[in-house]
Amino acid sequence: DIQMTQSPSTLSASVGDRVTITCRASQSISNWLAWYQQKPGKAPKVLIYKASSLEGGVPSRFSGSGSGTEFTLTISSLQPDDFATYYCQQYNSYPYTFGQGTKLEIK
Amino acid sequence: EVQLLESGGGLVQPGGSLRLSCAASGFTFSTYGMNWVRQAPGKGLEWVSGIYGGGVSTYYADSVKGRFTISRDNSKNTVSLQMNSLRAEDTAVYFCAKDAYSSASFVDYWGQGTLVTVSS
Repeated sequence: DIQMTQSPSTLSASVGDRVTITCRASQSISNWLAWYQQKPGKAPKVLIYKASSLEGGVPSRFSGSGSGTEFTLTISSLQPDDFATYYCQQYNSYPYTFGQGTKLEIK
Repeated sequence: EVQLLESGGGLVQPGGSLRLSCAASGFTFSTYGMNWVRQAPGKGLEWVSGIYGGGVSTYYADSVKGRFTISRDNSKNTVSLQMNSLRAEDTAVYFCAKDAYSSASFVDYWGQGTLVTVSS
């Protein structure tokens, strides 16, 4: 199975900051990677798919990059609504696997 | 509007069985793969199982293989998860999740989840 490792596990930042979350795959997944945002008590929401494609309706301050085994999610200027938990997921092969999550907290 | 409505969660004893269902609407159901993803209390997301649009190909996480069975009824727009030999570690909110494409894909829509508690 492909293991997905996110870092950091927790990130403290302020409104207006630029933040980056990293996701590493245990083997190459090409660009078959998605990023999700989840708020407490809610279902996740897809932000980015195919490593760098922005899902419709998602603000352009979110961007994704990478291929192979190293990927990043960047939020260019944090907004109050962005404080949440973020997950990466590989869909290159079954079983699909998620990273352990990165909790983005207000500093 | 795409809607996914899970049902069937509840309290079950260790070793017991439970069947989750997900009623889908707002899209051509038979075209898309469907998944179950779970989240234990206070923990991260875990993909559990997936099934292609035609229902022939099914996939499972190692943690549930041999105990859980995913199926779909394209005439009723439903996907189900039969869970047998349940363990305490299966306690979680179970989300029904729609693939964006017909086969291997990311999830573009999620249900609100149904809670399964395995406890004596």
